[in-house]
Amino acid sequence: DIQMTQSPSTLSASVGDRVTITCRASQSISNWLAWYQQKPGNAPNLLIYQASSLERGVPSRFSGSGSGTEFSLTISGLQPDDFATYYCQQYDIYPWTFGQGTKVDIK
Amino acid sequence: QVQLVQSGAEVKKPGASVKVSCKTSRYTFTSYAIHWVRQAPGQSLEWMGWINGGNGNSKSSEKFQGRVTFTGDTSANTAYMELRSLRPEDTAVYYCAAYSWGGGALDFWGQGTMVTVYS
Repeated sequence: DIQMTQSPSTLSASVGDRVTITCRASQSISNWLAWYQQKPGNAPNLLIYQASSLERGVPSRFSGSGSGTEFSLTISGLQPDDFATYYCQQYDIYPWTFGQGTKVDIK
Repeated sequence: QVQLVQSGAEVKKPGASVKVSCKTSRYTFTSYAIHWVRQAPGQSLEWMGWINGGNGNSKSSEKFQGRVTFTGDTSANTAYMELRSLRPEDTAVYYCAAYSWGGGALDFWGQGTMVTVYS
């Protein structure tokens, strides 16, 4: 199975900060990488697909980049609604796999 | 707007089976693959497999092969996930999610179904 490793596991930040979360795949997945946001008690919500395509309705402060094995999610100007857990997911090869998550909390 | 509505919480004993439903529209059921993902308490997400409501094709993760079955009822636009021989470690929230064949990823998610396994 492809292992997805996110860093950091926890990130403390303030409103207005620019934050970056990285995700590394154990083998190349081209650009078949998605990012999700999850808040407690809720289902995940798709933010980015194919590494850098913004899902419809997602604010433009979210952006994704990378290909192959190295990817990143950047939030430019953190908003109060962005404090949540973020997951990367590869959907190139079965079984699809997720990272362990990055919790973004308030500094 | 795509909506996926799942069945309610379940409590099961070890060794039993559980069947979770995921109801959607006819368009969604036949145009998207319905995937199943679970999340144990405090843990990350785990992909289980998918079903194509349009033709009934399905695929499951090898981890669950022999224990899980994905089915669909086209008359009810509903997908089902049945997990057998339940163990305490199967305690989790089970989600269905829609994947568009034309692009995107797991674009839309059900609200989740909590399955608790304990004796």
